[in-house]
Amino acid sequence: QSALTQPASVSGSPGQSITISCTGTSSDVGSYNLVSWYQQHPGKAPKLMIYEVSKRPSGVSNRFSGSKSGNTASLTISGLQADDEADYHCCSYAGSSIVVFGGGTKLTVL
Amino acid sequence: QVQLQESGPGLVKPSETLSLTCTVSGGSISSSSFYWGWVRQPPGRGLEWIGSISYSGRTSYYPSLKSRVTISVDTSKNQFSLRLSSVTTADTAVYYCARKVGATDYFDSWGQGTLVTVSS
Repeated sequence: QSALTQPASVSGSPGQSITISCTGTSSDVGSYNLVSWYQQHPGKAPKLMIYEVSKRPSGVSNRFSGSKSGNTASLTISGLQADDEADYHCCSYAGSSIVVFGGGTKLTVL
Repeated sequence: QVQLQESGPGLVKPSETLSLTCTVSGGSISSSSFYWGWVRQPPGRGLEWIGSISYSGRTSYYPSLKSRVTISVDTSKNQFSLRLSSVTTADTAVYYCARKVGATDYFDSWGQGTLVTVSS
Protein backbone atom coordinates (compact mmCIF):
# COMPACT_ATOMS: atom_id res chain seq x y z
CA GLN A 1 0.00 0.00 0.00
CA SER A 2 1.33 3.43 -0.97
CA ALA A 3 0.39 6.75 0.50
CA LEU A 4 -2.38 8.68 -1.21
CA THR A 5 -1.20 11.66 -3.28
CA GLN A 6 -2.09 15.19 -2.18
CA PRO A 7 -0.70 18.55 -3.36
CA ALA A 8 1.91 19.85 -0.95
CA SER A 9 0.23 23.21 -0.68
CA VAL A 10 -2.78 25.25 -1.79
CA SER A 11 -3.73 28.83 -1.07
CA GLY A 12 -6.69 31.14 -1.32
CA SER A 13 -7.96 34.52 -0.19
CA PRO A 14 -10.61 35.03 2.48
CA GLY A 15 -14.07 34.38 1.08
CA GLN A 16 -12.83 32.30 -1.82
CA SER A 17 -13.22 28.56 -2.32
CA ILE A 18 -10.42 26.02 -2.62
CA THR A 19 -10.30 22.31 -3.43
CA ILE A 20 -7.74 19.80 -2.23
CA SER A 21 -7.36 16.59 -4.21
CA CYS A 22 -6.45 13.14 -2.89
CA THR A 23 -5.48 10.58 -5.51
CA GLY A 24 -5.31 6.90 -4.78
CA THR A 25 -5.81 3.74 -6.80
CA SER A 26 -8.54 1.30 -7.71
CA SER A 27 -7.54 -0.66 -4.60
CA ASP A 28 -8.36 2.09 -2.11
CA VAL A 29 -10.13 5.35 -3.02
CA GLY A 30 -11.64 3.88 -6.17
CA SER A 31 -13.05 0.80 -4.47
CA TYR A 32 -14.60 2.14 -1.27
CA ASN A 33 -16.71 5.12 -0.24
CA LEU A 34 -14.61 5.27 2.92
CA VAL A 35 -12.56 8.43 2.47
CA SER A 36 -12.14 10.77 5.43
CA TRP A 37 -10.50 14.16 5.82
CA TYR A 38 -8.74 15.65 8.84
CA GLN A 39 -7.77 19.22 9.71
CA GLN A 40 -4.61 19.74 11.75
CA HIS A 41 -3.46 23.04 13.19
CA PRO A 42 0.24 23.36 14.15
CA GLY A 43 1.10 21.39 17.27
CA LYS A 44 -2.42 19.99 17.55
CA ALA A 45 -4.05 16.62 17.01
CA PRO A 46 -5.95 16.00 13.77
CA LYS A 47 -9.69 16.75 13.75
CA LEU A 48 -12.22 14.82 11.69
CA MET A 49 -13.89 17.08 9.10
CA ILE A 50 -15.42 14.67 6.56
CA TYR A 51 -16.10 10.92 6.65
CA GLU A 52 -17.45 8.39 4.16
CA VAL A 53 -16.53 10.74 1.29
CA SER A 54 -19.07 13.50 1.95
CA LYS A 55 -20.56 13.26 5.44
CA ARG A 56 -19.90 15.98 8.04
CA PRO A 57 -19.65 15.23 11.76
CA SER A 58 -21.82 17.26 14.07
CA GLY A 59 -20.27 20.66 14.70
CA VAL A 60 -18.28 20.89 11.45
CA SER A 61 -19.19 23.89 9.31
CA ASN A 62 -21.13 23.26 6.11
CA ARG A 63 -18.42 25.27 4.35
CA PHE A 64 -16.54 21.97 4.25
CA SER A 65 -17.67 19.41 1.67
CA GLY A 66 -16.28 16.23 0.18
CA SER A 67 -16.69 14.33 -3.06
CA LYS A 68 -15.15 11.52 -5.06
CA SER A 69 -14.69 10.66 -8.72
CA GLY A 70 -12.94 7.47 -9.69
CA ASN A 71 -9.67 7.16 -7.82
CA THR A 72 -9.63 10.80 -6.67
CA ALA A 73 -11.36 12.30 -3.65
CA SER A 74 -11.66 16.02 -3.06
CA LEU A 75 -12.20 18.37 -0.13
CA THR A 76 -13.71 21.76 -0.90
CA ILE A 77 -13.71 24.64 1.55
CA SER A 78 -15.94 27.57 0.63
CA GLY A 79 -15.94 31.05 2.13
CA LEU A 80 -12.34 30.71 3.30
CA GLN A 81 -11.63 32.06 6.77
CA ALA A 82 -8.32 32.77 8.49
CA ASP A 83 -8.85 29.89 10.91
CA ASP A 84 -9.07 27.44 8.01
CA GLU A 85 -5.30 27.81 7.60
CA ALA A 86 -4.01 24.38 8.59
CA ASP A 87 -2.78 21.08 7.22
CA TYR A 88 -5.37 18.75 5.70
CA HIS A 89 -4.94 14.99 5.47
CA CYS A 90 -7.03 12.50 3.52
CA CYS A 91 -7.43 8.84 4.47
CA SER A 92 -8.96 5.85 2.71
CA TYR A 93 -9.80 2.26 3.52
CA ALA A 94 -7.62 -0.02 1.39
CA GLY A 95 -9.10 -3.44 2.06
CA SER A 96 -8.04 -6.18 4.50
CA SER A 97 -8.65 -3.87 7.47
CA ILE A 98 -5.88 -1.53 6.27
CA VAL A 99 -6.15 2.25 6.00
CA VAL A 100 -3.79 4.61 4.19
CA PHE A 101 -3.23 8.35 4.58
CA GLY A 102 -2.17 11.01 2.12
CA GLY A 103 0.97 13.08 2.54
CA GLY A 104 -0.95 16.12 3.75
CA THR A 105 -1.66 19.53 2.18
CA LYS A 106 -0.80 22.87 3.74
CA LEU A 107 -3.57 25.43 3.21
CA THR A 108 -2.51 29.07 3.34
CA VAL A 109 -5.14 31.79 3.63
CA LEU A 110 -3.62 34.84 1.95
CA GLN B 1 -17.25 12.61 25.48
CA VAL B 2 -14.43 10.09 25.10
CA GLN B 3 -10.87 11.26 25.75
CA LEU B 4 -7.62 9.52 24.89
CA GLN B 5 -4.21 10.11 26.47
CA GLU B 6 -0.88 8.70 25.35
CA SER B 7 1.89 7.91 27.83
CA GLY B 8 5.38 6.47 27.63
CA PRO B 9 9.06 7.35 27.26
CA GLY B 10 9.94 10.30 25.06
CA LEU B 11 13.40 8.97 24.23
CA VAL B 12 14.29 5.50 22.96
CA LYS B 13 17.68 4.19 21.89
CA PRO B 14 18.23 2.71 18.41
CA SER B 15 17.56 -1.06 18.17
CA GLU B 16 15.43 -0.96 21.34
CA THR B 17 11.64 -1.28 21.66
CA LEU B 18 9.29 1.70 21.76
CA SER B 19 6.36 1.19 24.16
CA LEU B 20 3.36 3.48 24.51
CA THR B 21 0.02 3.19 26.28
CA CYS B 22 -3.25 4.95 25.52
CA THR B 23 -5.72 5.45 28.36
CA VAL B 24 -9.35 5.89 27.36
CA SER B 25 -11.71 7.89 29.59
CA GLY B 26 -15.33 8.95 29.24
CA GLY B 27 -16.26 5.75 27.46
CA SER B 28 -15.66 2.01 27.47
CA ILE B 29 -12.97 0.43 25.35
CA SER B 30 -15.17 -2.68 25.23
CA SER B 31 -17.66 -1.27 22.73
CA SER B 32 -18.08 -3.42 19.63
CA SER B 33 -18.68 -0.28 17.57
CA PHE B 34 -15.09 0.89 17.73
CA TYR B 35 -11.54 -0.11 17.01
CA TRP B 36 -8.57 1.55 18.70
CA GLY B 37 -5.58 2.64 16.68
CA TRP B 38 -2.15 4.20 16.54
CA VAL B 39 -1.10 6.82 13.99
CA ARG B 40 2.29 8.53 13.80
CA GLN B 41 3.63 11.69 12.20
CA PRO B 42 7.36 12.17 11.56
CA PRO B 43 8.51 15.79 11.95
CA GLY B 44 7.28 17.91 9.06
CA ARG B 45 5.55 15.00 7.35
CA GLY B 46 2.13 13.44 6.91
CA LEU B 47 0.20 10.95 9.01
CA GLU B 48 0.98 7.24 8.90
CA TRP B 49 -1.41 4.57 10.20
CA ILE B 50 0.41 1.97 12.30
CA GLY B 51 -2.35 -0.43 13.26
CA SER B 52 -5.64 -0.99 15.08
CA ILE B 53 -7.20 -3.39 17.58
CA SER B 54 -10.73 -4.31 18.65
CA TYR B 55 -11.76 -4.78 22.27
CA SER B 56 -11.60 -8.54 21.67
CA GLY B 57 -8.01 -8.32 20.49
CA ARG B 58 -8.49 -8.56 16.72
CA THR B 59 -5.59 -6.66 15.15
CA SER B 60 -4.59 -5.19 11.80
CA TYR B 61 -1.24 -3.62 10.99
CA TYR B 62 0.28 -1.47 8.24
CA PRO B 63 2.13 -3.94 6.00
CA SER B 64 5.51 -2.16 6.06
CA LEU B 65 5.55 -2.14 9.89
CA LYS B 66 3.83 -5.45 10.55
CA SER B 67 7.01 -7.39 11.41
CA ARG B 68 7.92 -4.94 14.18
CA VAL B 69 4.52 -3.92 15.63
CA THR B 70 2.39 -5.38 18.39
CA ILE B 71 -0.82 -3.72 19.59
CA SER B 72 -2.59 -5.10 22.65
CA VAL B 73 -5.66 -4.18 24.71
CA ASP B 74 -6.36 -4.32 28.45
CA THR B 75 -10.11 -3.92 28.94
CA SER B 76 -9.80 -4.02 32.75
CA LYS B 77 -7.75 -0.82 32.64
CA ASN B 78 -9.53 0.72 29.61
CA GLN B 79 -6.16 0.93 27.88
CA PHE B 80 -4.46 -0.24 24.72
CA SER B 81 -0.76 -0.33 23.97
CA LEU B 82 1.79 -0.14 21.16
CA ARG B 83 5.14 -1.89 20.97
CA LEU B 84 7.48 -1.16 18.06
CA SER B 85 10.68 -3.16 18.06
CA SER B 86 14.14 -2.56 16.56
CA VAL B 87 13.58 1.18 16.23
CA THR B 88 15.77 3.46 14.13
CA THR B 89 15.92 7.23 13.77
CA ALA B 90 13.26 6.90 11.07
CA ASP B 91 10.78 5.99 13.81
CA THR B 92 11.14 9.42 15.43
CA ALA B 93 7.64 10.90 15.31
CA VAL B 94 4.65 12.20 17.21
CA TYR B 95 2.58 9.15 18.06
CA TYR B 96 -1.20 9.53 18.35
CA CYS B 97 -3.75 7.09 19.68
CA ALA B 98 -7.22 7.38 18.20
CA ARG B 99 -10.67 5.81 18.22
CA LYS B 100 -11.72 4.28 14.91
CA VAL B 101 -15.34 3.79 13.99
CA GLY B 102 -15.54 0.17 12.89
CA ALA B 103 -12.84 -1.88 11.24
CA THR B 104 -12.95 -0.01 7.97
CA ASP B 105 -13.91 3.55 8.68
CA TYR B 106 -12.73 6.85 10.16
CA PHE B 107 -10.96 8.14 13.29
CA ASP B 108 -13.38 10.30 15.28
CA SER B 109 -11.42 11.00 18.48
CA TRP B 110 -7.70 11.54 18.95
CA GLY B 111 -5.23 11.85 21.80
CA GLN B 112 -3.04 14.94 21.98
CA GLY B 113 -0.01 13.02 20.73
CA THR B 114 3.38 12.29 22.25
CA LEU B 115 6.78 12.90 20.67
CA VAL B 116 9.10 9.91 20.69
CA THR B 117 12.69 10.55 19.68
CA VAL B 118 15.00 7.70 18.71
CA SER B 119 18.54 8.66 19.57
CA SER B 120 21.56 7.26 21.34
